[in-house]
Amino acid sequence: DAGVIQSPRHEVTEMGQEVTLRCKPISGHNSLFWYRQTMMRGLELLIYFNNNVPIDDSGMPEDRFSAKMPNASFSTLKIQPSEPRDSAVYFCASGLAGGHNEQFFGPGTRLTVL
Amino acid sequence: DQQVKQNSPSLSVQEGRISILNCDYTNSMFDYFLWYKKYPAEGPTFLISISSIKDKNEDGRFTVFLNKSAKHLSLHIVPSQPGDSAVYFCAASFNDYKLSFGAGTTVTVRA
Repeated sequence: DAGVIQSPRHEVTEMGQEVTLRCKPISGHNSLFWYRQTMMRGLELLIYFNNNVPIDDSGMPEDRFSAKMPNASFSTLKIQPSEPRDSAVYFCASGLAGGHNEQFFGPGTRLTVL
Repeated sequence: DQQVKQNSPSLSVQEGRISILNCDYTNSMFDYFLWYKKYPAEGPTFLISISSIKDKNEDGRFTVFLNKSAKHLSLHIVPSQPGDSAVYFCAASFNDYKLSFGAGTTVTVRA
């Protein structure tokens, strides 16, 4: 199994540009999570999908952030327009819904907004 | 508001000795606790977990202890090995998906 796949691994962009992060969850998993890791706030959940439907987006910082899951094998996290304070590592994780099931994390995308 | 706290940012231990990582939480609703391990440039990987109905769970060299009255849990690694050098995150949840993570403790195992 290839695990959770994220692309790109690194992204450097200028303030105001649109950024799209991509995630391919593990086949068969029906839960998908987007996390952000920063020095100030640590690892925080941005949004949770169950069977491709957004269930909890309370962690999305503001309207500049949006996430989609058009099918069971693909999700995107978009930031438009990006700002320097969005610089962080963004992780995607997948798992099986129901009970306290393990979340499997991807390698992350390191985003730098200049 | 950090509901899960790891007050020691780093820990250095000699190979073969015990590593003890601590974690405190404030939300009494948490009923499931996990430890994740993270190497540089990789995502966190699940290590071990414990339900609030237990006070100990053991898996090989790793043991997690839970003290609900003190809202405290700890991870013991015995014996510590060089491959254990990583960042360890404590996490807690009260439903089946939302994890609250601590800030992490960087463990360095010295040869």
